[in-house]
Amino acid sequence: ETGVTQTPRHLVMGMTNKKSLKCEQHLGHNAMYWYKQSAKKPLELMFVYNFKEQTENNSVPSRFSPECPNSSHLFLHLHTLQPEDSALYLCASSQGLAGTSNTGELFFGEGSRLTVL
Amino acid sequence: GEDVEQSLFLSVREGDSSVINCTYTDSSSTYLYWYKQEPGAGLQLLTYIFSNMDMKQDQRLTVLLNKKDKHLSLRIADTQTGDSAIYFCAETVASNYQLIWGAGTKLIIKP
Repeated sequence: ETGVTQTPRHLVMGMTNKKSLKCEQHLGHNAMYWYKQSAKKPLELMFVYNFKEQTENNSVPSRFSPECPNSSHLFLHLHTLQPEDSALYLCASSQGLAGTSNTGELFFGEGSRLTVL
Repeated sequence: GEDVEQSLFLSVREGDSSVINCTYTDSSSTYLYWYKQEPGAGLQLLTYIFSNMDMKQDQRLTVLLNKKDKHLSLRIADTQTGDSAIYFCAETVASNYQLIWGAGTKLIIKP
C-alpha cells in the first residue's frame, strides 16, 4: 500500500458543483499539506496541518475549504470553483514540519487532476 | 520575497551527464532539496544538502552548493531513459519553515 493515497485521481466538475478531494497517509506522520501544481509554475502551498491543527493558509480563496479530522486524513472541499482552478492538487505528509529539526522530507501522493468547466 | 529559479527544459543524450541548475535568493536557507516527479506521479525526494555543505555525492548523483552565488546544481552521471522526469529544486527558509519551490526542469533523454 502506498504511503500517501489520494482520491479521486481525476475529477471534472462544473463551476456550481460541490466536490471533495481526499488524502490518506499510512506513514504515521504528524503534518499534512495541500499543494496546487500548475504547469511550468512553482508548487503553491495552500494549507498546512500539524497534529490536526491548521498552521498555514496561504491566502487561499474561500471556495477551497480544508478539513483534517485526524493526523491520517485530509480533505479539500471544493465549491463554486473557477476554470483557473484547474490543476493537479497534491497532498503531502511529513514527520515534522518541513525545515524543523528533521530534514523536512515530504512524502507526496500521486495527485488529483481537477478540471473545472 | 524568496524565489527559486530553474530552467524549464534540459535535453541530453542517453549516457551523457545531465546538469540541472537552480538559483535561490534567500541566504538563510537551511536545507536545499531535489525532488523528482515522474509522469503521472507525485514528487519524490531525490537528495538534499544541508546549507553548511558544498557537495554531496550519492551513486550517480552529485549535488553542488555555491552559497556565495546562491547556486545549486544536480549532476546525474550516465543519464538513462528512466531518468526522464521533472526535477524540482526547493529550499527551506529558516524564517517560516516553509519550502520554496522552483517551477521544475523537465529532463528529456535523446537516444
